[in-house]
Amino acid sequence: GAVVSQHPSRVICKSGTSVKIECRSLDFQATTMFWYRQFPKQSLMLMATSNEGSKATYEQGVEKDKFLINHASLTLSTLTVTSAHPEDSSFYICSARGPGEETQYFGPGTRLLVL
Amino acid sequence: ILNVEQSPQSLHVQEGDSTNFTCSFPSSNFYALHWYRWETAKSPEALFVMTLNGDEKKKGRISATLNTKEGYSYLYIKGSQPEDSATYLCAFSGWTDSWGKLQFGAGTQVVVTP
Repeated sequence: GAVVSQHPSRVICKSGTSVKIECRSLDFQATTMFWYRQFPKQSLMLMATSNEGSKATYEQGVEKDKFLINHASLTLSTLTVTSAHPEDSSFYICSARGPGEETQYFGPGTRLLVL
Repeated sequence: ILNVEQSPQSLHVQEGDSTNFTCSFPSSNFYALHWYRWETAKSPEALFVMTLNGDEKKKGRISATLNTKEGYSYLYIKGSQPEDSATYLCAFSGWTDSWGKLQFGAGTQVVVTP
């Protein structure tokens, strides 16, 4: 149980375009989903927390207008990188947590390359 | 900025040997300490969530201890096998953090050679 999928696994896009990444909890209801980013040789850094039906809470330094998060259902959250630039190239990974749970279950991540 | 540090950064272990590595975290404001195993091209797998000082958790050949007063946790692998090769991540959450916020260490990469 507790499987989280993420799509796509990798994406290459041109500078200025937008990219949407989906995160799905396959066998449980995720009341909270988290989005992280990892730059090479660094730790996972939390970007934002989203609760189903509410606006996402962004960490300091993360632009909410650039990284649009939608958590419209208990099994799906999306991260849209708007007007992507080469500096947005990174590894993006989501996690999901059920009601009352401490453990976060992670997806496999998305490698984004912006040319 | 809170620092969660893991050491060593990487280690090589002979199959059958036991090993351990460390996660250090701020001792104040402690709420929980998480351990994950992350194999290449897969999702990080949750191993343990630890909340009590002195707690010890075990899952097969892997176990973890927690010292919240001095701010460290050890992860032990007994009788390492090649399938234990992965990056092991720890993550800290504090009482004053927003619900569920985890601060990760950079990981310890373990390579088990036959």
